[in-house]
Parts: sequence; structure tokens; C-alpha cells
Amino acid sequence: DAKTTQPPSMDCAEGRAANLPCNHSTISGNEYVYWYRQIHSQGPQYIIHGLKNNETNEMASLIITEDRKSSTLILPHATLRDTAVYYCIVRVKAAGNKLTFGGGTRVLVKP
Amino acid sequence: NAGVTQTPKFRILKIGQSMTLQCTQDMNHNYMYWYRQDPGMGLKLIYYSVGAGITDKGEVPNGYNVSRSTTEDFPLRLELAAPSQTSVYFCASSSNTLGNEQYFGPGTRLTVT
Repeated sequence: DAKTTQPPSMDCAEGRAANLPCNHSTISGNEYVYWYRQIHSQGPQYIIHGLKNNETNEMASLIITEDRKSSTLILPHATLRDTAVYYCIVRVKAAGNKLTFGGGTRVLVKP
Repeated sequence: NAGVTQTPKFRILKIGQSMTLQCTQDMNHNYMYWYRQDPGMGLKLIYYSVGAGITDKGEVPNGYNVSRSTTEDFPLRLELAAPSQTSVYFCASSSNTLGNEQYFGPGTRLTVT
């Protein structure tokens, strides 16, 4: 599995966009980028995933660079409830995979 | 759908005691997982199952056992609890169509003293 690198923490103002970077320079051609988050004391929550095209859903947008060596998760209008640890995971798209949740980025949304 | 439910929410065990952590999902997912999360750390996979009757070890299986007699249930058994098993335990499920999109339960916070 490709290794990912994320900043350990970042702050964001409520109502503003939060841009969370992730480096995955060793990503293989068949590996997808997945984002999860974990709000304090809760189970992880799936957010979004993508292969090479940008993706958007009701929670967030995912921008993947053309060389696929990095990506950015965008929370368009951060709220206090978005305060969480965000994990970037690179895996082949297959069921039954054992996800590895590394350090992640601790995001604090401030009023 | 209730999604993935776990019981109990909290439990304190004495060293050497045993207990079963319950996990149930109502989404007809064939894949189920047990993870543990120690304070300030990421999740580690304990056991997983690809369907009823099939289980396999994850990264940290020692001290635990699982069974999968139905699609819905995936209990985790702790035998001879040790302080090193103090952790938060999360159950998750997914399906062939979901791939790496795993749905997690709310967790069980276990303390062994």
C-alpha cells in the first residue's frame, strides 16, 4: 500500500473552506485515495474517494493532482461539527481490505 | 437502518475476566471487521470476516477470538483480560459493492484493571 503523509494538525475558521492536503507519491495506478474522519470518541466515518478525477459529494470535494502524487480534501463551509481527525488512505479498490489509519490531520474548526 | 450497533458502550473488567463484545449490522454486508484504538493512536485490525462461517486474523489477534455464524452478527470474545487490552473497540462492515467504504459502529470503551 502506498504510504501517505498528512500534516499533524490545522485550524480552520467556521464558515470558511478547509483544505486538507495529503501526499502519496508512491501511489500505484490501481490505487484509490480514500478519506475518512473520526470525530472525538466516535467511530471513523467514510467521506469520499477517488482514482484520478475530482470527486464531490454532499460532504466534501476531493481534488487529485494530475500525477496523482497528492490530493486535497475540501470541506467547503467548515462547521464546528467538522472538528475531527481526518485520515487519507490509499488502497486498491476491493472489498475486505484492512484499512490502515495512520496519524491523520487533527482539524480544529474555530468560531 | 440502524447501521452497525455495538454493545456494551462501556465496560470495566478485572484482570483474568472474560467478556464478549457484540456487533450487529442490518445492511446485509458480507464483510465485517474488528478494530481497536489505543489512546492517541490509529486503528489496528484485530479480526475480520468475509462472510458467515469465515474469519481471519488481522494485525493484532492475540488474546481475542471471533465467530461469524450469521451475516448480521460478529461478536468479539476476550479471554483472560489483560491491562494491555484496555482500548476502544470498533466494529465495521462493508460489502463487495462498497469496497473500502466501511461503516463503523459507535465503539465499546473497555478498561481492564
